Amino acid sequence: GENVEQHPSTLSVQEGDSAVIKCTYSDSASNYFPWYKQELGKGPQLIIDIRSNVGEKKDQRIAVTLNKTAKHFSLHITETQPEDSAVYFCAASRMNTGFQKLVFGTGTRLLVSP
Amino acid sequence: DTAVSQTPKYLVTQMGNDKSIKCEQNLGHDTMYWYKQDSKKFLKIMFSYNNKELIINETVPNRFSPKSPDKAHLNLHINSLELGDSAVYFCASSQGTGGREPQHFGDGTRLSIL
Repeated sequence: GENVEQHPSTLSVQEGDSAVIKCTYSDSASNYFPWYKQELGKGPQLIIDIRSNVGEKKDQRIAVTLNKTAKHFSLHITETQPEDSAVYFCAASRMNTGFQKLVFGTGTRLLVSP
Repeated sequence: DTAVSQTPKYLVTQMGNDKSIKCEQNLGHDTMYWYKQDSKKFLKIMFSYNNKELIINETVPNRFSPKSPDKAHLNLHINSLELGDSAVYFCASSQGTGGREPQHFGDGTRLSIL
């Protein structure tokens, strides 16, 4: 089945720096790649997603890139702020018995220091 | 105006007991999910329902039984609770048969087995 690897597991940056989180997936049929942010005591919240027919997508300080050939995708956060501190999850969607399901990466704890 | 709401938020109980978790969404979505997040933050799908019909059933013990009385509600009943069931359980919903549309998560039910 699909396997999603995520690195790094922990990332510490200074406020204003950029942060990059990388994921690789194993199933070449995966075609949808969302990123979720999970704050303490809350559920994961979608922050950006990308589909397999697009190589890059931006939304203000957040961008995601997808390399289908290499089967990896990355989240880029620029001008980080303390409120960006959270656990970030990547996910890949693949078909499963006629329906698609999300497989999540193992998460990256991002800490932004003032 | 909560989109996906779960009750209870915390559940502390003894091994061997039976318990239920309830979920409701007011987004008009037709697909709902249960996920389990373990102590290492790993997020894994358990079940998915589309218009009250079970479409994804991962390798979950038979002690876990989901029920969807209508497409806005998805409940999870757990029999004979075991120590390993301690986790945070998240309900989510999306439009469509899942996997390629954004999933919206509730804030979770933290289940602790004594």
